[in-house]
Amino acid sequence: NAGVTQTPKFRVLKTGQSMTLLCAQDMNHEYMYWYRQDPGMGLRLIHYSVGEGTTAKGEVPDGYNVSRLKKQNFLLGLESAAPSQTSVYFCASSRRDSPTETQYFGPGTRLLVL
Amino acid sequence: LAKTTQPISMDSYEGQEVNITCSHNNIATNDYITWYQQFPSQGPRFIIQGYKTKVTNEVASLFIPADRKSSTLSLPRVSLSDTAVYYCLVGSLSSNTGKLIFGQGTTLQVKP
Repeated sequence: NAGVTQTPKFRVLKTGQSMTLLCAQDMNHEYMYWYRQDPGMGLRLIHYSVGEGTTAKGEVPDGYNVSRLKKQNFLLGLESAAPSQTSVYFCASSRRDSPTETQYFGPGTRLLVL
Repeated sequence: LAKTTQPISMDSYEGQEVNITCSHNNIATNDYITWYQQFPSQGPRFIIQGYKTKVTNEVASLFIPADRKSSTLSLPRVSLSDTAVYYCLVGSLSSNTGKLIFGQGTTLQVKP
């Protein structure tokens, strides 16, 4: 049982390049989340999904797109990377235990945009 | 929009009890309060969760006053391995507001 895994662990991009971050969970969780973590800013929710085929905007969605074609996977895309998107990205998942959803986090992806 | 406020950092010594308070003045009626712990280069992990009064598990206690506008995470007899960043989270996708509000995190440094 691997829990939540993220691919890749680290990536360097040039401004304007695109990339996709992959999150996978093997706990059959309904909810999945993407956060970014910046120094002094804590964790900020980018997008989330409450089930396969659904996505919704979080606190800081601009510049990102997501897709959840399969229940176990949640993809985060950057169409045209900007230096402001340099951050550590965390994926999480949770059961739909209203309203006490305990989130399980992945190890994170460090992204550097030059 | 609801906001949570935590101290940026705290220092303690091994064996002491540590209390970290989170302020959440605009908490919604059915919002739960959850605390997470994060070590360097790792994702946060769940510590404890509560709605009101006191909750205790094998690693921590959570105190929530009647007005629920704050919460205090209590770590008994900390050790060096408790050095980490601690986040409080208010809300959930299933709550009335459907909002998740993380605090900025409190960096706890435990000294020998």
